[in-house]
Amino acid sequence: GPKVLQIPSHQIIDMGQMVTLNCDPVSNHLYFYWYKQILGQQMEFLVNFYNGKVMEKSKLFKDQFSVERPDGSYFTLKIQPTALEDSAVYFCASSFSSAETLYFGSGTRLTVL
Amino acid sequence: SQWGEENLQALSIQEGEDVTMNCSYKTYTTVVHWYRQDSGRGPALIILIRSNEREKRSGRLRATLDTSSQSSSLSITAAQCEDTAVYFCATASMSNYNVLYFGSGTKLTVEP
Repeated sequence: GPKVLQIPSHQIIDMGQMVTLNCDPVSNHLYFYWYKQILGQQMEFLVNFYNGKVMEKSKLFKDQFSVERPDGSYFTLKIQPTALEDSAVYFCASSFSSAETLYFGSGTRLTVL
Repeated sequence: SQWGEENLQALSIQEGEDVTMNCSYKTYTTVVHWYRQDSGRGPALIILIRSNEREKRSGRLRATLDTSSQSSSLSITAAQCEDTAVYFCATASMSNYNVLYFGSGTKLTVEP
């Protein structure tokens, strides 16, 4: 089936540093999402992105977070600066139409020390 | 919150048994997604049920949707060890259909 690739699978950084999480979505998909999951618990919506713009964002999407998809390549989540509470697994997802079947990557485990 | 149940639930059953997982939601929706998440992986859609279907089957899976009680269920018949996973229901509300919100999930363990 369609694949969403996330790079890297694990990232360890010091608090206060910047981190960029990369996602290669399904090629013909138009909607892109980031979710946050802590300790295998609930999938928490962060943000969705369409036509080069953020459509919706949750309270978890702090001012330190930003997303972009330059030149239709990777869909990225940048956190600058990072905080301890940002430690989690971040999942990227894409879909062809809004809130229809989401295809998820395998996640990037972010550890902030 | 979109959801009535907030805590991850855990179920443990023996291989060959049937199991039903439930979720209830607070805001009106016309479609419920059920996703399965294996350890170390992202969620994957296993069944999607719309309000005009009430029941939908896919292999050993059966989903129901009751919009009047705002609840959905997922049943697995004759569970197998490979059914061990976390199962989430997810909906997009009518007021914010661009976003899929996930419930807290059920961690299902099927023992041999």
